[in-house]
Amino acid sequence: AQKITQTQPGMFVQEKEAVTLDCTYDTSDPSYGLFWYKQPSSGEMIFLIYQGSYDQQNATEGRYSLNFQKARKSANLVISASQLGDSAMYFCAMRETVNTGFQKLVFGTGTRLLVSP
Amino acid sequence: DTEVTQTPKHLVMGMTNKKSLKCEQHMGHRAMYWYKQKAKKPPELMFVYSYEKLSINESVPSRFSPECPNSSLLNLHLHALQPEDSALYLCASSQVPQADNSPLHFGNGTRLTVT
Repeated sequence: AQKITQTQPGMFVQEKEAVTLDCTYDTSDPSYGLFWYKQPSSGEMIFLIYQGSYDQQNATEGRYSLNFQKARKSANLVISASQLGDSAMYFCAMRETVNTGFQKLVFGTGTRLLVSP
Repeated sequence: DTEVTQTPKHLVMGMTNKKSLKCEQHMGHRAMYWYKQKAKKPPELMFVYSYEKLSINESVPSRFSPECPNSSLLNLHLHALQPEDSALYLCASSQVPQADNSPLHFGNGTRLTVT
């Protein structure tokens, strides 16, 4: 079984600074995918970034980048130039293959990020 | 704006009521999902539909009954719920149900309260 661990229940950062949200995972599958989602207080889960296990480069999407260290089994999310609107819950998730190839996302426990002025 | 639309946004129901949650997407996705999220917890998978067929049921109690009338619509019928079923119910869709890198796109969710 796969497992996702987010050890930071809460993080604080000042506006315009960078912040790193930690995620470690455990899997025996040679091929896997890692996702980060943002959940504001409104409830919607917003897809941020994806990293495949065979990707040679770390994923980037605008102010979001993924620090992927395969040997350490970590996939930390880096948010640069934090904005007040970045305050939200952030979930790391891993794709788990079940039932002949169907995709199931398993989520970590989440990190609540608070950006202060 | 989200491309997955869920209605209603809020629902309060008694334990003897029958209600339905609705979800719609027009992205041409062929996989649709129901997740349940309790307060301060991560989402947990309930059901997966692949090409309008139920593909995964995560041992969900029968008081929750999913339905996929067509590739764009997903319903969750509720009957004889318990107060502990109060949660945020999230619908999601993805391009294909196979294991690949296509992300799940979520709706805003329905906040359900069972009294």
